[in-house]
Amino acid sequence: QSALTQPRSVSGSPGQSVTISCTGTSSDVGGYNYVSWYQLHPGKAPKLMIYDVNKRPSGVPDRFSGSKSGNTASLTISGLQAEDEADYYCCSYAGSYTLVFGGGTKLTVL
Amino acid sequence: QVQLQESGPGLVKPSQTLSLTCTVSGGSISSGGFYWSWVRQHPGKGLEWLGYIYYSGSTYYNPSLKSRVTISVDTSKSQFSLEVSSVTAADTAIYYCARASTTVLNSWGQGTLVTVSS
Repeated sequence: QSALTQPRSVSGSPGQSVTISCTGTSSDVGGYNYVSWYQLHPGKAPKLMIYDVNKRPSGVPDRFSGSKSGNTASLTISGLQAEDEADYYCCSYAGSYTLVFGGGTKLTVL
Repeated sequence: QVQLQESGPGLVKPSQTLSLTCTVSGGSISSGGFYWSWVRQHPGKGLEWLGYIYYSGSTYYNPSLKSRVTISVDTSKSQFSLEVSSVTAADTAIYYCARASTTVLNSWGQGTLVTVSS
């Protein structure tokens, strides 16, 4: 069970859109529609932003969207805002009641 | 709204056992459909899923850590716990507890830093 691959960092200006990729294998991302995304701000509880590839929990702005193609999932944040600056982690179900995370991506709002 | 709070020693000596407890409030730990999970984050590194437990006691672990990790639940106290045995400096991390389904970690605690050092 290897960690999913994410870019170390992405950046964008306020109002722009950014996309964070998350690449796994057919045993995790590609094998199940169970990819979730989490936002981490230092010192705060992680927050679920997307689950089941493209579903948003209540309270998460519709600026956040998720998708998947093959073994790669993506999180897109449109209309970037300063408060979106955080670390983002993808996570996939990997079968047999196990989960695997990505290495995390630091989003900088310029 | 469910809330989770981690507690336990912030410093553990090498070779000892790390023990943490997560207290659940605002919801029943015995609610069917939810699993109770532990995740950790090494300093400056990514998240690592450690495992989860159902209220009935069924446990599921990260295969890479299975031999050293034990998760247990005490429904009478609305708590679940984590033990990591034979710790080394590599177990220094922020430890989070979370409420989950089998595929999503939908509510998290704020995390607690555990340092392994003599």
